[in-house]
Amino acid sequence: GNSVTQMEGPVTLSEEAFLTINCTYTATGYPSLFWYVQYPGEGLQLLLKATKADDKGSNKGFEATYRKETTSFHLEKGSVQVSDSAVYFCALMGDFGNEKLTFGTGTRLTIIP
Amino acid sequence: DAEITQSPRHKITETGRQVTLACHQTWNHNNMFWYRQDLGHGLRLIHYSYGVQDTNKGEVSDGYSVSRSNTEDLPLTLESAASSQTSVYFCASSEGGLSTDTQYFGPGTRLTVL
Repeated sequence: GNSVTQMEGPVTLSEEAFLTINCTYTATGYPSLFWYVQYPGEGLQLLLKATKADDKGSNKGFEATYRKETTSFHLEKGSVQVSDSAVYFCALMGDFGNEKLTFGTGTRLTIIP
Repeated sequence: DAEITQSPRHKITETGRQVTLACHQTWNHNNMFWYRQDLGHGLRLIHYSYGVQDTNKGEVSDGYSVSRSNTEDLPLTLESAASSQTSVYFCASSEGGLSTDTQYFGPGTRLTVL
């Protein structure tokens, strides 16, 4: 079955540091890949997605590239801000007709000024 | 604006009681999902629906049920609440028909079973 393995946290960085959160997946077929973010006390919201190999998703300075050869979708940001403090979830969705999300365990990110 | 809402936001109940959590979306989405969030597990799928009268079991469906009588609502029922069901529950919806769909999440319901 489908699975997502995500870098364990928590991760603490100083403001303006470079961020990488690792995500690898196991899936049959051609899944779509997602990063969701959860701010304190809120539900999840889509951060970015990529729907086919070599696609790069980007939003709010975050980027992730769909690497089929390494089955990875690592999240990166060049310069983090205090407002980026949140929990980040990597997820995959199966092929057409299997529109369920499989989530990683989440990575809590804290940015200190 | 279209949205997805959950009620109640917080609920405390006792072991053995029946509890229903409401989820309502105004996007006219075909797909609706229920997840639970627990530390160390991320989000796990409980039940899902691809349309009216359609319901399916997810990864952790034991002790839960859903019914879909209209497009907007997918209530989640705990038939006999157990302490192991203490969790944060999220409802989500998506348009349906595409494997690239974005799921939109509600604000969550924190359930405590004593």
